[in-house]
Amino acid sequence: NAGVTQTPKFRVLKTGQSMTLLCAQDMNHEYMYWYRQDPGMGLRLIHYSVGEGTTAKGEVPDGYNVSRLKKQNFLLGLESAAPSQTSVYFCASSYSGLYLGNTIYFGEGSWLTVV
Amino acid sequence: GDSVTQMEGPVTLSEEAFLTINCTYTATGYPSLFWYVQYPGEGLQLLLKATKADDKGSNKGFEATYRKETTSFHLEKGSVQVSDSAVYFCALSVTPGSARQLTFGSGTQLTVLP
Repeated sequence: NAGVTQTPKFRVLKTGQSMTLLCAQDMNHEYMYWYRQDPGMGLRLIHYSVGEGTTAKGEVPDGYNVSRLKKQNFLLGLESAAPSQTSVYFCASSYSGLYLGNTIYFGEGSWLTVV
Repeated sequence: GDSVTQMEGPVTLSEEAFLTINCTYTATGYPSLFWYVQYPGEGLQLLLKATKADDKGSNKGFEATYRKETTSFHLEKGSVQVSDSAVYFCALSVTPGSARQLTFGSGTQLTVLP
């Protein structure tokens, strides 16, 4: 039961470098999300997608781009990494929108350090 | 806007102690409420949820009751175990509202000592 899988799990970047985080889900979910988790701040939504070929901004989108070319994959890109982007990144997915108590499923996280 | 306020941690308890983690919320619509748990090195897992007032969510000995009159969803467990050591997040989603938005509290670190 893979669920939501994120790669890589750990990465160290130098300021200005670029990288892509890959998220894959095998539950045929329409909605996918990228969150970042910072100490004392809970999770904050970066970008999300409501279906293949769609993306939208969340609460903290600056410095990130996303793509959803295939329904099962959701990519998060950092074009020019900054130390402020040091964080733990979580991908998540849900069958439909997050209302009426619908459940969201999280990946195990990707730890990114920008030096 | 929507927000969740959680009891600040860290919380340290001895095994078999009673646990309460407070959570209050403000919501612009009709909220559904959740508790998520994050074990060390892992992602968040849904612990329990409640979708209407006076509902009680329960799982693995944990309980939380959706109290509309006090806008609260406090997490309780009668006897904690070392294996309950984790970070606990209270969260809400709102209907009607943005289908993409799950608002999280800041998390409460729980450590249970043997």
